[in-house]
Amino acid sequence: DQQVKQNSPSLSVQEGRISILNCDYTNSMFDYFLWYKKYPAEGPTFLISISSIKDKNEDGRFTVFLNKSAKHLSLHIVPSQPGDSAVYFCAAISYNQGGKLIFGQGTELSVKP
Amino acid sequence: GAGVSQSPSNKVTEKGKDVELRCDPISGHTALYWYRQSLGQGLEFLIYFQGNSAPDKSGLPSDRFSAERTGGSVSTLTIQRTQQEDSAVYLCASSLAPSSGANVLTFGAGSRLTVL
Repeated sequence: DQQVKQNSPSLSVQEGRISILNCDYTNSMFDYFLWYKKYPAEGPTFLISISSIKDKNEDGRFTVFLNKSAKHLSLHIVPSQPGDSAVYFCAAISYNQGGKLIFGQGTELSVKP
Repeated sequence: GAGVSQSPSNKVTEKGKDVELRCDPISGHTALYWYRQSLGQGLEFLIYFQGNSAPDKSGLPSDRFSAERTGGSVSTLTIQRTQQEDSAVYLCASSLAPSSGANVLTFGAGSRLTVL
């Protein structure tokens, strides 16, 4: 049972344009959602999070939007830069269910110069 | 230490052999997690430690997999009688284990296991 889903395995955008990465979830009990970025041969690194009681969180070029009624969140990167090319993982946590992070399958973002 | 350290970074083994993967978490982090990433897949949860106890082992794929943590610090993931489907990158992460807020995990670089 995949509780967190990223249905797009890959995304390609032009440098300077907006990148939009999507994530869907099934468990309405999730407390927080997080985005991680992963470069090849490195561990994932934390990017940004959002509480389930918020609908938007912004940090520099990165903004996460949460639509609870649709059980959907998205990560916007604007403007996109070639260094943003990586695999992005959406993750969710429910403290009622032990506090572990449940990850999606990841979306590989490629930003072309 | 400054970050999460994992060893070995790369391990090639023959089917049927046992392997041990080690994780040294960030000092002071009470929670430790093991995940694995198979080729083309997402991050699959394996096991979670709070101190030396493992309240959630639900992700261990079979009884060939076991893990322990000693002294509230270093953890070892052991895979017995390895199979080719065990080939993956095994990632360890640690956190301060808050009971609220975003539980931000810090990951190590992973141990890449190849079973021939």
